[in-house]
Amino acid sequence: KNEVEQSPQNLTAQEGEFITINCSYSVGISALHWLQQHPGGGIVSLFMLSSGKKKHGRLIATINIQEKHSSLHITASHPRDSAVYICAVRQYSGGGADGLTFGKGTHLIIQP
Amino acid sequence: ETGVTQTPRHLVMGMTNKKSLKCEQHLGHNAMYWYKQSAKKPLELMFVYNFKEQTENNSVPSRFSPECPNSSHLFLHLHTLQPEDSALYLCASSQDGTWGDEKLFFGSGTQLSVL
Repeated sequence: KNEVEQSPQNLTAQEGEFITINCSYSVGISALHWLQQHPGGGIVSLFMLSSGKKKHGRLIATINIQEKHSSLHITASHPRDSAVYICAVRQYSGGGADGLTFGKGTHLIIQP
Repeated sequence: ETGVTQTPRHLVMGMTNKKSLKCEQHLGHNAMYWYKQSAKKPLELMFVYNFKEQTENNSVPSRFSPECPNSSHLFLHLHTLQPEDSALYLCASSQDGTWGDEKLFFGSGTQLSVL
């Protein structure tokens, strides 16, 4: 069982809809990353957070350390938001040598 | 543009071939990474170089051989690969490699197919 679980695995929505992607983890962490991967492979780091909430444009990331849960929200979604969104956590112990454990990703499609 | 450049973007090779993947970063970072991304699986860390020194190889088969001649360049040398090695190989860099507490900057990846 992966220590980082994302839901949903796949999500198709209409342009303009409010999108929520969830990430749950089972270990103690010091930081959580949200990454975006477009078709073609390149990955962009969206957020790194350890508490509270961060906002960048139409993207909002929240984290609840007590509940071991984070959400990524997209407001006024657009077809260019179509991508795979990956959650990764930095564990206090364990994880890869870079300290990160990755989720499998959520594949988002925004239709015009 | 993330400041991390990978070449080639696509590579098809036979099991007896030898090829190399190249990664270059122009961000002044001290840590560089190779990741493997297979279909339906989470990203897997293969190698970490911190200040040009390899710190982890994560039990990667010896048919994958990394090289880091300086802090801006990273290579992954491939020889006698297997079809199951077909995947997207991603390079990344970060400022100091401090165990996940800093942002990673990724290249666009090399899509590798082994026939």
